Amino acid sequence: ILNVEQSPQSLHVQEGDSTNFTCSFPSSNFYALHWYRWETAKSPEALFVMTLNGDEKKKGRISATLNTKEGYSYLYIKGSQPEDSATYLCASPNNNDMRFGAGTRLTVKP
Amino acid sequence: NAGVTQTPKFQVLKTGQSMTLQCAQDMNHEYMSWYRQDPGMGLRLIHYSVGAGITDQGEVPNGYNVSRSTTEDFPLRLLSAAPSQTSVYFCASRSRGWGVQYFGPGTRLTVT
Repeated sequence: ILNVEQSPQSLHVQEGDSTNFTCSFPSSNFYALHWYRWETAKSPEALFVMTLNGDEKKKGRISATLNTKEGYSYLYIKGSQPEDSATYLCASPNNNDMRFGAGTRLTVKP
Repeated sequence: NAGVTQTPKFQVLKTGQSMTLQCAQDMNHEYMSWYRQDPGMGLRLIHYSVGAGITDQGEVPNGYNVSRSTTEDFPLRLLSAAPSQTSVYFCASRSRGWGVQYFGPGTRLTVT
């Protein structure tokens, strides 16, 4: 994989549902994997920075796992709330700067 | 700290006009970058800088120039605006290493 790829592109869930999405990244020369939360009309804000294979990070109802050997990371949201509606971006370093995926746009319906 | 600031927030240009998007950060970060965000394409890197006096091209550099005369400032210049440059532009900064990247509020540019 030459680029950072995310799936699905968009996701609609009901309030209370748990959900997850995937980020795939180049596994060779791995340095770090970032997750950002990006609300409409705002700028991206960092959720997690992950560096170690097997790493698992958690912030409230949101958690993420990392597999550097196979080049993927999962982001999980437990009990989704309408305020979780946003685009979730992952990014991985490429030479001297970050390469971003196109994002997963999450909509949580009340 | 103000973090990363960008001006202007909105701009409308006519084809062929030039302008400079300003970006400043007060966190003493060495790395600064400019991205453009287009529907369905996520963030694409235009130019970046690893320190004062050092700049390099990203994925989509054509039509843009940058300079980095100080650690704090990283302006992006559009030389001759084209409708294809209609986009939302984000400036970002981070410290040495692969830690968190901080984004500015964005500049929405329309070229008619």
